[in-house]
Amino acid sequence: SQKIEQNSEALNIQEGKTATLTCNYTNYSPAYLQWYRQDPGRGPVFLLLIRENEKEKRKERLKVTFDTTLKQSLFHITASQPADSATYLCALPNRDDKIIFGKGTRLHILP
Amino acid sequence: GAGVSQSPSNKVTEKGKDVELRCDPISGHTALYWYRQSLGQGLEFLIYFQGNSAPDKSGLPSDRFSAERTGGSVSTLTIQRTQQEDSAVYLCASSPDNLAGQQETQYFGPGTRLLVL
Repeated sequence: SQKIEQNSEALNIQEGKTATLTCNYTNYSPAYLQWYRQDPGRGPVFLLLIRENEKEKRKERLKVTFDTTLKQSLFHITASQPADSATYLCALPNRDDKIIFGKGTRLHILP
Repeated sequence: GAGVSQSPSNKVTEKGKDVELRCDPISGHTALYWYRQSLGQGLEFLIYFQGNSAPDKSGLPSDRFSAERTGGSVSTLTIQRTQQEDSAVYLCASSPDNLAGQQETQYFGPGTRLLVL
């Protein structure tokens, strides 16, 4: 079955630098892949969706790439700010269209 | 517009008691998911409702857990004879259908924090 791998270690990035988070999946390539943000004590919030025929998607300071050969998506935050500190979750649909989530990577932007 | 709402926001119960958690999805959303999240952990899928289809219960951890979705809208997750390991945040999410009949973006509620003493 499909598995999602995200770096379980927290990522510390200096304010102003670009933060890059990785999501790898193990099995078939999904039709799309999503990224969510989760703050402590809150539910995840949708950020971006990228489809299998899209190499790159941007939204303000966010950029997502999708490489079906590497079975990987990269999530970039440029000009990072302390307010970007959160846990970022990768999600994709299973074969039965059920969305499955990775465990997330905690990002700390250091002032 | 209103988002996904969940109630109660917090629930403290004694071991062995039954609890009911409620989720009000966004109006018109056909898909509804329940997840469980323990402290510092990822989202654990519990159950998935899609329209009038039979729910996908493959994530329910034991037969003490059950869920209903009445009229394609409100859902209730019931945990019978609660155990201390049931303590977690229970999150509900709903999704609209896209034109292809697939569910994409999930909209999450704030969660119910359950503590079993």
